[in-house]
Amino acid sequence: DAKTTQPTSMDCAEGRAANLPCNHSTISGNEYVYWYRQIHSQGPQYIIHGLKNNETNEMASLIITEDRKSSTLILPHATLRDTAVYYCIVRVTNAGKSTFGDGTTLTVKP
Amino acid sequence: EADIYQTPRYLVIGTGKKITLECSQTMGHDKMYWYQQDPGMELHLIHYSYGVNSTEKGDLSSESTVSRIRTEHFPLTLESARPSHTSQYLCASSRSGANVLTFGAGSRLTVL
Repeated sequence: DAKTTQPTSMDCAEGRAANLPCNHSTISGNEYVYWYRQIHSQGPQYIIHGLKNNETNEMASLIITEDRKSSTLILPHATLRDTAVYYCIVRVTNAGKSTFGDGTTLTVKP
Repeated sequence: EADIYQTPRYLVIGTGKKITLECSQTMGHDKMYWYQQDPGMELHLIHYSYGVNSTEKGDLSSESTVSRIRTEHFPLTLESARPSHTSQYLCASSRSGANVLTFGAGSRLTVL
């Protein structure tokens, strides 16, 4: 697996966009970028994934740089319920096990 | 609405007891996983299975064992629990050809 680097923690004001960065400079051509989040020790929840094009779903947007060495998860209008640990993972799509690092603790403040 | 179920959610037992944590999924996923997570710490993969009768050790050594006799069921067993086994155990599954994990709510084990 390519190694990922994320900031330990971030704050965001409620209603504003939360931009969570992830560096994955050793990513290989067939590896996807996946994002999960874990709210207060619940099981992690899948958010979004992508290969090289930007992706958007009902939860978030994923922006991947052209060289694919970094990406940003965007929560367009953060709410208090988005406070969680966010994990960036790089894997080939058909691989089995996934390794979760320390992630970024996002705190959304009123 | 959960498609992957873990029981019990909470368990407090004494040292030396045998315990089994249950995990079942209704999605027909081939792949299943067990992660261990201490409070405030990262998740560590301890077991995984790519199908019936297939089990492998994960990245973190664990004294627990698993079995996969049916596709939907992936129980984890500790033959003799110790206080060092106190942790949260999270089960997950994914289908072949994809890498999106669906997690259960977790089983929080306390060994006294």
